[in-house]
Amino acid sequence: AQKVTQAQTEISVVEKEDVTLDCVYETRDTTYYLFWYKQPPSGELVFLIRRNSFDEQNEISGRYSWNFQKSTSSFNFTITASQVVDSAVYFCALSELYSGYALNFGKGTSLLVTP
Amino acid sequence: EAQVTQNPRYLITVTGKKLTVTCSQNMNHEYMSWYRQDPGLGLRQIYYSMNVEVTDKGDVPEGYKVSRKEKRNFPLILESPSPNQTSLYFCASRGDRLDYGYTFGSGTRLTVV
Repeated sequence: AQKVTQAQTEISVVEKEDVTLDCVYETRDTTYYLFWYKQPPSGELVFLIRRNSFDEQNEISGRYSWNFQKSTSSFNFTITASQVVDSAVYFCALSELYSGYALNFGKGTSLLVTP
Repeated sequence: EAQVTQNPRYLITVTGKKLTVTCSQNMNHEYMSWYRQDPGLGLRQIYYSMNVEVTDKGDVPEGYKVSRKEKRNFPLILESPSPNQTSLYFCASRGDRLDYGYTFGSGTRLTVV
C-alpha cells in the first residue's frame, strides 16, 4: 500500500501564482519524519525540509512554506509567487521507526511554472 | 565537503553484461541505501545496509546485488542487466540521528539496450 500519496501528478501555473503541493501519509508509528525534496531537470535530489512527528509548527523559508497537520496526516508544501526556476518534480517522503527509518517516497508532483 | 559520490553518472550497456555502480560516502555514516527512480513510480528502495556486512532487501531487489565490506562504500551490482533495469539510480546515506537527514548522490542514469 502506498504510504505517501501525492495526488497531483502534474501542476501548471503562471509565474507569480501561488501553488500548493499536497502530501498525505499513512503510518502506525508515533515517531516518524517527513521530508520534501526537489528534483530539477538536471536530475539531482535537493533536500528542502525535514519535520519530525512531534513538531507540528508550520515553517516558512522565503517563498516556501509547509503545513504539517497530524489530524489529517498531511504535510503540504506551498510556493508563494512562483518563479520559472521552481519548475521541477517535488517529492514528499516518510521515514518511520517501523521500517528502520527507510525513506518511503510518494510518486512526485511535476510542477511547471510558465512565464 | 560531506558528500555521497556515485559513479558513473551515465552508463549505456548491453543486456547481460555485468556492471557495478559505485557509491562512496565520506561522513562515516552507518546507513546506506540504493533507490531507483522511474517515471510515474517515484523512488523505490532496492537494497539498504545498516552497517558493514549487514544488508537487506528493499522494495524492488530482484536483479540486483549489493555488498558492504567497508563503511564508506556500498556498490550496486547488476549481474545480468536487462532493459527493465533502465532507470535513474540514487545512492543515499545517513548517520545515526535521523535529525541529520539523508544525503543523496547525484544519480546514475543507466540505459540497458
